[in-house]
Amino acid sequence: GAVVSQHPSWVICKSGTSVKIECRSLDFQATTMFWYRQFPKQSLMLMATSNEGSKATYEQGVEKDKFLINHASLTLSTLTVTSAHPEDSSFYICSAIRPGLAGGRVNEQFFGPGTRLTVL
Amino acid sequence: AQKITQTQPGMFVQEKEAVTLDCTYDTSDQSYGLFWYKQPSSGEMIFLIYQGSYDEQNATEGRYSLNFQKARKSANLVISASQLGDSAMYFCAMREPSGGGADGLTFGKGTHLIIQP
Repeated sequence: GAVVSQHPSWVICKSGTSVKIECRSLDFQATTMFWYRQFPKQSLMLMATSNEGSKATYEQGVEKDKFLINHASLTLSTLTVTSAHPEDSSFYICSAIRPGLAGGRVNEQFFGPGTRLTVL
Repeated sequence: AQKITQTQPGMFVQEKEAVTLDCTYDTSDQSYGLFWYKQPSSGEMIFLIYQGSYDEQNATEGRYSLNFQKARKSANLVISASQLGDSAMYFCAMREPSGGGADGLTFGKGTHLIIQP
């Protein structure tokens, strides 16, 4: 199957600093990527849709100025958590859309391994 | 209102038994997709099975099958011959395409499945 990577896999930072998380599709081009957030023992919540070459689309309640998304190439999307605070501590997971193949699942999503952010 | 409802927060199942994880969904779209993912303690999301709303037959992938009852808006996951390695969180998810663009998934709250030897 397709491979999506995330870097870093975990990060600990001080309150007030900014943290950048990278999401890469390794063996396919992804015009669309998604960013999800998962708090402990909870479900994944969609934060935003990242489109290559255009502005990201944010879900209701997600602050676009706090969670900056850049999708500069067909294989890379970045999520920057600006001025992070302890309440931003969470597991951030990206997924990438792989264009559907004939007979396959249309627009199948492949998930990265996630990034665990801890803000002290 | 929740779009994806998983009513079983946790389940204990004896090894080698079959297990059914419940999922109901709510949508007004005619075209949608339903997914099941497994999330072990490592956190990675592992795709298990997919059912399109227009698929007439229930999807199957090895030991996984999806019991799709469209009129009841139900998409239960059935795992046959459960194994210890099946212990994990299981999430049901739905994609509702709109406007011609790709849409993210809406996830249920998950079911924590524990397989006992």
